[in-house]
Amino acid sequence: EAQVTQNPRYLITVTGKKLTVTCSQNMNHEYMSWYRQDPGLGLRQIYYSMNVEVTDKGDVPEGYKVSRKEKRNFPLILESPSPNQTSLYFCASGTRYSTGELFFGEGSRLTVL
Amino acid sequence: TQLLEQSPQFLSIQEGENLTVYCNSSSVFSSLQWYRQEPGEGPVLLVTVVTGGEVKKLKRLTFQFGDARKDSSLHITAAQPGDTGLYLCAGDYTGTASKLTFGTGTRLQVTL
Repeated sequence: EAQVTQNPRYLITVTGKKLTVTCSQNMNHEYMSWYRQDPGLGLRQIYYSMNVEVTDKGDVPEGYKVSRKEKRNFPLILESPSPNQTSLYFCASGTRYSTGELFFGEGSRLTVL
Repeated sequence: TQLLEQSPQFLSIQEGENLTVYCNSSSVFSSLQWYRQEPGEGPVLLVTVVTGGEVKKLKRLTFQFGDARKDSSLHITAAQPGDTGLYLCAGDYTGTASKLTFGTGTRLQVTL
């Protein structure tokens, strides 16, 4: 089954404690991206990757890091989480072109106390 | 960052009613997509429109892309409870998936 898998689905952590949200896709997609979803603000892009070892900032990259060492994986790293990073996070994958479908994971709800 | 506005933000209607959701921008889209998101899940693609004036139908859902490619609408005929969800438009201004900009969404509730 074609899917994008995120872990963890839910996480409560404290300010400053490094965490990683993993994302894996089994569709051999070149493009992967991370979004955060906040009430009234919609989906905002954090980082994206057009291929292995190629990553770039989205609209809200501050406080986040990513890496793309393998085609299927695109982890999101919060080196020192802060309460304003409390949000619902989505990983997505797709073709390199905007007319192609984006496949989303089920989301990771993160709370930073 | 391009601004993509959706209206209305919330819509609560009864089964059988018709509704229209709008997605507007001040800039020209290369293409535009509509997604639906249900609670606890990620968005799922409904349709992609590319050509100005294009109309696409998906059962009771009709999608229209404005002639100038700056706006789009989603019309649902005879809404059903299964249509309940968050509807998101996503516009691309560059021709690559890297810069899809999502609207703030329209939350639709359809009751019996």
